[in-house]
Amino acid sequence: DTAVSQTPKYLVTQMGNDKSIKCEQNLGHDTMYWYKQDSKKFLKIMFSYNNKELIINETVPNRFSPKSPDKAHLNLHINSLELGDSAVYFCASSHKVGIQYFGAGTRLSVL
Amino acid sequence: QKEVEQDPGPLSVPEGAIVSLNCTYSNSAFQYFMWYRQYSRKGPELLMYTYSSGNKEDGRFTAQVDKSSKYISLFIRDSQPSDSATYLCAMSATTGNQFYFGTGTSLTVIP
Repeated sequence: DTAVSQTPKYLVTQMGNDKSIKCEQNLGHDTMYWYKQDSKKFLKIMFSYNNKELIINETVPNRFSPKSPDKAHLNLHINSLELGDSAVYFCASSHKVGIQYFGAGTRLSVL
Repeated sequence: QKEVEQDPGPLSVPEGAIVSLNCTYSNSAFQYFMWYRQYSRKGPELLMYTYSSGNKEDGRFTAQVDKSSKYISLFIRDSQPSDSATYLCAMSATTGNQFYFGTGTSLTVIP
């Protein structure tokens, strides 16, 4: 049973399109995150939600909008995709203060 | 100055060698120190977790934290080809849940 699962695994799309990535965790954690990992493997925090409340919102274009319908889910919607959005996006979860557990990643390619 | 500095490598060693991976940091408030391993096209998985200073051993892996020097290390004894991956250090303060990641060190163990 996958602890942190995200879909889709791969996403190939054209510039200007809108797309969503979904994340679900079954660990009972109350905090979830979205990270972007570039080609050099650097993991950059984008957002963090605790009990459906946004607590970390790094400098990310407002084309990126996270949504947390409940504490087990955190989705990421991206409007007007750009070439520079191509990366691997990771979802993670943790207790409020604790170890973060990562999903397998969504590899986004914008053409 | 970045919060966490990590030599990106790549590092290439023969099977059976002892591997030393290191990170330095600047924020004296960091108390939690983690090492994640990331295989190609997979999500980061937690390898070792240490609170405050000291050593922690788990099988072939030893994590060391020297808070006075703001320096953490991961040692891998009797390295195996299956250890070939990118190793990411991560750390966080006592309160709050924001992790700060190093850029990752790419390790290849040659049979």
